[in-house]
Amino acid sequence: KAGVTQTPRYLIKTRGQQVTLSCSPISGHRSVSWYQQTPGQGLQFLFEYFSETQRNKGNFPGRFSGRQFSNSRSEMNVSTLELGDSALYLCASSLGNSNTEAFFGQGTRLTVV
Amino acid sequence: GEDVEQSLFLSVREGDSSVINCTYTDSSSTYLYWYKQEPGAGLQLLTYIFSNMDMKQDQRLTVLLNKKDKHLSLRIADTQTGDSAIYFCAESRSARDDKIIFGKGTRLHILP
Repeated sequence: KAGVTQTPRYLIKTRGQQVTLSCSPISGHRSVSWYQQTPGQGLQFLFEYFSETQRNKGNFPGRFSGRQFSNSRSEMNVSTLELGDSALYLCASSLGNSNTEAFFGQGTRLTVV
Repeated sequence: GEDVEQSLFLSVREGDSSVINCTYTDSSSTYLYWYKQEPGAGLQLLTYIFSNMDMKQDQRLTVLLNKKDKHLSLRIADTQTGDSAIYFCAESRSARDDKIIFGKGTRLHILP
């Protein structure tokens, strides 16, 4: 059974650009959550998608958005990138029937220069 | 509040037991987790415990939960060099979604 796949693994962008990150969950999992990990703030919840609908959202500006497709794959988009958006972005996959095991991908390391 | 607190560093001699502690604030937490993150890697779920349990053991790992004090601990017996990593305590509390709140992580350093 394949794990959670995030692409790309590494990304370098310049300020003002936008970026799209992709996450393919474990087969059969319907929930995908996104987290931002930085040395200063630790792991912070961005949003969760379940059955193509955003089910919960963290405290991030509107520049951060996401979506989920019918095959449960999810993308997150960050527009007008800022230096402070440099982070490891982690995606978690779960069945989605609340409070079950969440499996994480390897992450996408975004560097904004 | 949404705070999950844990100490940032722990040093342990190889072969000894490691105990990583965590406190959380929300008594409605339903699941409590321990994740491990090695350098350059994602998060690996080590173990989790339901909030109506006191203890869970899985090979070298023992999780203790004191719900009254909102205190969670992870004990790693016979600590090995491969256990060197950052350990995150986390909780989820909603019956509606799978949002997880993480602590800042405890960096476990193994002394020879």
